[in-house]
Amino acid sequence: DQQVKQNSPSLSVQEGRISILNCDYTNSMFDYFLWYKKYPAEGPTFLISISSIKDKNEDGRFTVFLNKSAKHLSLHIVPSQPGDSAVYFCAALGAGSYQLTFGKGTKLSVIP
Amino acid sequence: DGGITQSPKYLFRKEGQNVTLSCEQNLNHDAMYWYRQDPGQGLRLIYYSQIVNDFQKGDIAEGYSVSREKKESFPLTVTSAQKNPTAFYLCASSMPDKGRAQYFGPGTRLLVL
Repeated sequence: DQQVKQNSPSLSVQEGRISILNCDYTNSMFDYFLWYKKYPAEGPTFLISISSIKDKNEDGRFTVFLNKSAKHLSLHIVPSQPGDSAVYFCAALGAGSYQLTFGKGTKLSVIP
Repeated sequence: DGGITQSPKYLFRKEGQNVTLSCEQNLNHDAMYWYRQDPGQGLRLIYYSQIVNDFQKGDIAEGYSVSREKKESFPLTVTSAQKNPTAFYLCASSMPDKGRAQYFGPGTRLLVL
């Protein structure tokens, strides 16, 4: 039973436009959410996170939105750049837990 | 330069052989983790350790063992009991008192001969 779901395996976006990556979760005990970026054969790089007490967190070109009632979060990248092309993983933590639960990832391709 | 190092980058295992993957960090992080990634899948937790000389099983600990004798080091042994060891193994660390993000090393690809 997948507790964190990324329903789009891939996404293509034109350079300069907005990329929106989506993530849904089922476990209401999750209280902290993270986005990671990963290139092939490398470790994931932490991008941005959000606590369940907030609905938005921004860091440069990256913004994460959390809709707790819908159990949905999204990562917005504006403007998208070719270097953003990678697999993006959504992950979640439960209160007091050390165990990250990951989605299966969305492969973003930014077309020049 | 602070970070997490994993070695080797590629590792080959013969049938019935135990192999050990190295993970070292100089970030002074208290907690360390081992994850496994299979093609087209997210990462799954094998073991984690919050402090020296203590560790807990994750979702897929069967066939693996760990030790945490030093704060900087968290080696993972893939034993012969692990029937499907071919995967990409990732080590991570975190400082729970200063945020909940986990930071990952470059990974080790394990292949079975």
